[in-house]
Amino acid sequence: TQLLEQSPQFLSIQEGENLTVYCNSSSVFSSLQWYRQEPGEGPVLLVTVVTGGEVKKLKRLTFQFGDARKDSSLHITAAQPGDTGLYLCAGALETGANSKLTFGKGITLSVRP
Amino acid sequence: DVKVTQSSRYLVKRTGEKVFLECVQDMDHENMFWYRQDPGLGLRLIYFSYDVKMKEKGDIPEGYSVSREKKERFSLILESASTNQTSMYLCASTSAGGVRYGYTFGSGTRLTVV
Repeated sequence: TQLLEQSPQFLSIQEGENLTVYCNSSSVFSSLQWYRQEPGEGPVLLVTVVTGGEVKKLKRLTFQFGDARKDSSLHITAAQPGDTGLYLCAGALETGANSKLTFGKGITLSVRP
Repeated sequence: DVKVTQSSRYLVKRTGEKVFLECVQDMDHENMFWYRQDPGLGLRLIYFSYDVKMKEKGDIPEGYSVSREKKERFSLILESASTNQTSMYLCASTSAGGVRYGYTFGSGTRLTVV
């Protein structure tokens, strides 16, 4: 059973459209992160959210952490071809020195010009 | 610019060969991780290390071993490569207690075993 479920798995949209993708779990996380990975490269951290209900914005990307700290959403406004990539969410169940992240399987986004 | 460097971007090895994948970070991070990434399966943790000379098994350690003789270097070893180990291998690091700040990943090594 996957601890973090991401949906949808695949999304293909036209440039200029808005979209929202999701990361859900039945577990409570101390923090949750979103990464973007381009083909042939490693994931790059976009944002970390730590407080229930927290909203963070990164240009056209808006990230929200659920009130119960079990889920998160990523909203992209006016998507551009440069937004194409694999979006991974990852959560930390603990806050200790030796805690580690649990990753979802990712959402593959394709933005057509 | 801080970084995690993986020694090879692409490798092709023969079945049965011993394969070394090297990872070096320049951020003085305590924690280092090795993942493999396969379509439909996501990132799966192979091994991790919280300190020099220390190692812990992840979710799929079979067929792999690791070495961490220096803080900045974490090596993944495929003792006898098999075709089912063809994959993208990703190294990552973070500071102790820094997991909430995220991992820094290397660019990955695409390994093909023939």
